Amino acid sequence: EIVLTQSPGTVSLSPGDRATLSCRASQSISSTYLAWYQQKPGQAPRLLIYGTSHRATGIPDRFSGTGSGTEFTLTISRLEPEDFAAYFCQQYGTLPLTFGGGTKVDI
Amino acid sequence: QVTLEESGPTLVKPTQTLTLTCAFSGFSLNTRGVGVGWLRQPPGKALDWLALIYWDDNKNYSPSLKRRLTITKDTSKRQVVLTMTNMDPVDTGTYYCAYRAVDGPWRYWGPGTMVIVSS
Repeated sequence: EIVLTQSPGTVSLSPGDRATLSCRASQSISSTYLAWYQQKPGQAPRLLIYGTSHRATGIPDRFSGTGSGTEFTLTISRLEPEDFAAYFCQQYGTLPLTFGGGTKVDI
Repeated sequence: QVTLEESGPTLVKPTQTLTLTCAFSGFSLNTRGVGVGWLRQPPGKALDWLALIYWDDNKNYSPSLKRRLTITKDTSKRQVVLTMTNMDPVDTGTYYCAYRAVDGPWRYWGPGTMVIVSS
């Protein structure tokens, strides 16, 4: 099983700040199969990024993803009030499909 | 547009069997490459993938829960059903169904249904 470790667990930032979220895999992942999701309280996750760096439909360009091998990063260039949420990475290339433990972006 | 919606009991007793239904629209589970899966999230915790069924009736399960899970589809009713046996309080959480196409990410999600396991 590929274990994904996200850091930090929680980060406190302000609107306008830059957020950098990390996702580390226990073994190498093809960049094709790494996704990021955003989840707000009481809501289902929403797909943000797939294939490491491709934004899903309707996702603003302040969200960007980079990485390769075992190290992946989600960057939010300038936080908007609606971006304060939890973020999860996921690998979908190898069964079992696994998620990271999440990073909460707090005000 | 693609929509999914989960339904099932909110409260289940320990040792009982849980049956959840995912009703979907906006796509066909006859289309090559399409899959529908189930995931869950304990309160305040991360997401776990449970099971996945494909257009060709191929099925995959989480290894840790495989003995307890069965996933089936009814293409004509546009439904996917998950059964989980021998429910335990640790199975409490929100259960989601989601759409996946051609080995892609979980692109569309249902709103989720809360399941509480308690006597």
